[in-house]
Order: sequence, then structure tokens, then C-alpha cells
Amino acid sequence: EAGVAQSPRYKIIEKRQSVAFWCNPISGHATLYWYQQILGQGPKLLIQFQNNGVVDDSQLPKDRFSAERLKGVDSTLKIQPAKLEDSAVYLCASSWMGGLPDTQYFGPGTRLTVL
Amino acid sequence: AQSVTQLGSHVSVSEGALVLLRCNYSSSVPPYLFWYVQYPNQGLQLLLKYTSAATLVKGINGFEAEFKKSETSFHLTKPSAHMSDAAEYFCAVSVGFGNEKLTFGTGTRLTIIP
Repeated sequence: EAGVAQSPRYKIIEKRQSVAFWCNPISGHATLYWYQQILGQGPKLLIQFQNNGVVDDSQLPKDRFSAERLKGVDSTLKIQPAKLEDSAVYLCASSWMGGLPDTQYFGPGTRLTVL
Repeated sequence: AQSVTQLGSHVSVSEGALVLLRCNYSSSVPPYLFWYVQYPNQGLQLLLKYTSAATLVKGINGFEAEFKKSETSFHLTKPSAHMSDAAEYFCAVSVGFGNEKLTFGTGTRLTIIP
């Protein structure tokens, strides 16, 4: 079974530029999560989708971050414009239905460096 | 709101020695608890999870954890450390259907001394 795929794996941009990350969840998984992991910290949830609807985006900085999940499968996370403090690893995860205690499966992440 | 505290950002043990990684949680409702492992440049992998069944939970790679409600703890142990256990370990808590987001601790980096 293929795992969660993410691209790109690494991205370096300058502040005020825009960037987009892509995630392909495990086939059949209805729930998709985006987490931000700043160096030295645990991952923090940015947004949770159930199929193509948003369940929780309370910690998403909506003035610069946006995310979508078209057709309930792939998802993209965009930052526009980027700030220095956005430097982090962005992790995508998916789970079967999202109910507890469902296991979340994580992708390898995209490491973003903002200069 | 729920939270997790991991005591010790770095832990070093000798190969073959006991591994003990500490996790304490705070939650106003019965929690679900998880331990994840992260190897360099990889995503997180589930080690084990507590789902309100048995309080002693066995996971992959010889790890286990015991849920102690009176101590609000969920410490991770392994009887004998192996070099391949070197990684970062995260404890996480989640509560309630409809609020499945994982709240992670800050992580513990485990180093194995040959």
C-alpha cells in the first residue's frame, strides 16, 4: 500500500514570495490533515479536511495561508506572502474516517526555508 | 483544552539498557494517547496508541506504554535499547469525536550510546 506522498521535499524561497505544497493521501482515506512543525517543536495542526470539506482550520493563519482539497483526494497548501517565521516542515497526514482512535499516517514532509 | 508535556528534550541510554521516555497529559475528558517516532528526514510513524481498552499498550519495535490515570501519565518504555531506536519521539493526545486533532508534545530526542 502506497503511503502519503508529498512534494516538493525541500523548498527555499525569499520572504514575500509565494509557495505551494502538494499532498496525495493514502487511497480511500477520507480525512486529510496539514501540520506545521517548527524546529524543536512538535507538529501543530493547521487544517483538517473531511472529504473536501473543512473540519478545523482554527490555527490556520488565514491572512497568508490557504488550503484546498479538490474532489476529496489531493490537497494543496499555499503561503502568500511568506514570512521568515514560516520556515518549518509541513507535514501532511491522512486517516480512514477521522474518528477516534483512527490512526493518522504521515507523509515525509516538505522542508521550507524562508530567507 | 488538552496538552502534553514531555520531560527531557534529550535522553541518552546505552545499547541494551532500559529506555524510558516520559509523557504527562492534561485533559478535561478521557483522552486518547499516542506515541509517534520520527527518523531524520522522514514523517512520523505510529508506535502505539491508547484507546481506553487495556491500560498497558504494546506497540511496534518492542515498545510499550502504560496509561496511568491517577498520574496523568503515558510513559514509553523498551527493555533493551537498540542502535536503530535513535530517533525523535513524540507523545500526542486527542479527545472526543469531532475533535480528532492531535496535540503533540515538544518531542524527546533519543540517543543510543554504543
